[in-house]
Amino acid sequence: KNQVEQSPQSLIILEGKNCTLQCNYTVSPFSNLRWYKQDTGRGPVSLTIMTFSENTKSNGRYTATLDADTKQSSLHITASQLSDSASYICVVSDYGNNRLAFGKGNQVVVIP
Amino acid sequence: EAQVTQNPRYLITVTGKKLTVTCSQNMNHEYMSWYRQDPGLGLRQIYYSMNVEVTDKGDVPEGYKVSRKEKRNFPLILESPSPNQTSLYFCASSLGGLADYNEQFFGPGTRLTVL
Repeated sequence: KNQVEQSPQSLIILEGKNCTLQCNYTVSPFSNLRWYKQDTGRGPVSLTIMTFSENTKSNGRYTATLDADTKQSSLHITASQLSDSASYICVVSDYGNNRLAFGKGNQVVVIP
Repeated sequence: EAQVTQNPRYLITVTGKKLTVTCSQNMNHEYMSWYRQDPGLGLRQIYYSMNVEVTDKGDVPEGYKVSRKEKRNFPLILESPSPNQTSLYFCASSLGGLADYNEQFFGPGTRLTVL
């Protein structure tokens, strides 16, 4: 069973609009949660890393939130640009292990 | 420039012909890992290494081998490739373990097709 579930699987948004991506996880014990951006055919690039004590972190127009109690995270994209078209992957690390649980990604398409 | 490099970037081969995909990083990172990415399945970890001469299986290690003789290199070896190993492969590295607050850097990927 996948320990990291992302929704929606895909979405299309108009350039300039905001959107929010969701990530629910069951990984325990929890160490940190990461959001990556992956352009088609390229390697993922780290956007944010959060531990259980952090509930929000920003990287430019990207803002991630974390609720360690409900085991939910979100990634908010503000004022989307065409270059935001990509897959956004939520990844959770468990404490004491060096393994990662990957979500299947949110595919975002930004249209003019 | 700090980076993770992989070679080759594209490879088409035939069943049973041994191949090696190289991975190198210039950031003096201790942790290195290999992943495969398939449509609908996302990224899955094949093997990882915490340091020189220390390797461990990930979620899908069957059919793969790795070695870590030097800190900067972490080659992925397919002794007898099969069509179900057709995939997009990524190497990644980080300063330390992923249970810690270490950013992981990914290589550009190697697209492998096994006929």
